[in-house]
Amino acid sequence: GESVGLHLPTLSVQEGDNSIINCAYSNSASDYFIWYKQESGKGPQFIIDIRSNMDKRQGQRVTVLLNKTVKHLSLQIAATQPGDSAVYFCAENPPMRFGAGTRLTVKP
Amino acid sequence: NAGVTQTPKFQVLKTGQSMTLQCAQDMNHNSMYWYRQDPGMGLRLIYYSASEGTTDKGEVPNGYNVSRLNKREFSLRLESAAPSQTSVYFCASSPGGTYGYTFGSGTRLTVV
Repeated sequence: GESVGLHLPTLSVQEGDNSIINCAYSNSASDYFIWYKQESGKGPQFIIDIRSNMDKRQGQRVTVLLNKTVKHLSLQIAATQPGDSAVYFCAENPPMRFGAGTRLTVKP
Repeated sequence: NAGVTQTPKFQVLKTGQSMTLQCAQDMNHNSMYWYRQDPGMGLRLIYYSASEGTTDKGEVPNGYNVSRLNKREFSLRLESAAPSQTSVYFCASSPGGTYGYTFGSGTRLTVV
């Protein structure tokens, strides 16, 4: 069946390092992808999105890369800060489906 | 601040009790959604409303009912709560189509 999944459930990085969170998807019809951040006790928060006609999109300290050939999505966070510690979800659409998430821990 | 408001934030129910989770958005979004989040399971769609006046089942609708009261409000009802419904429930809204969702802060429900 089709699924949205993540390669790693946890990721630990040093403050100041770059973080890369990966996501695999299997629905070749998906044309819109989103990354969400969820801090403890809060709802998911939109970070960045990308449409299937692009392979890269940059925001403030974050970059999303889309490789449609291998159905892979990644989120890169530059100069990771303690405030970046959270669970990160990828989602594909349509329909909107979420992966289980990767927990990012930033060590001071 | 504009956004999605959920009430209550916490609730404990006894098995067999009923309750309604409330959700309201003030962004004039067309579509609204109810998800549950369990450890290691990610977000699973319970019901959604693509537009005012319509509702549809999602991935895990059994044991739940919904009402799209108006464009702003979308409620989720548990008629006879079961321990398996212990979860964190999130409401979300979107303009519709391929756009990101705005989530509420969640309702933590425990059924004993």
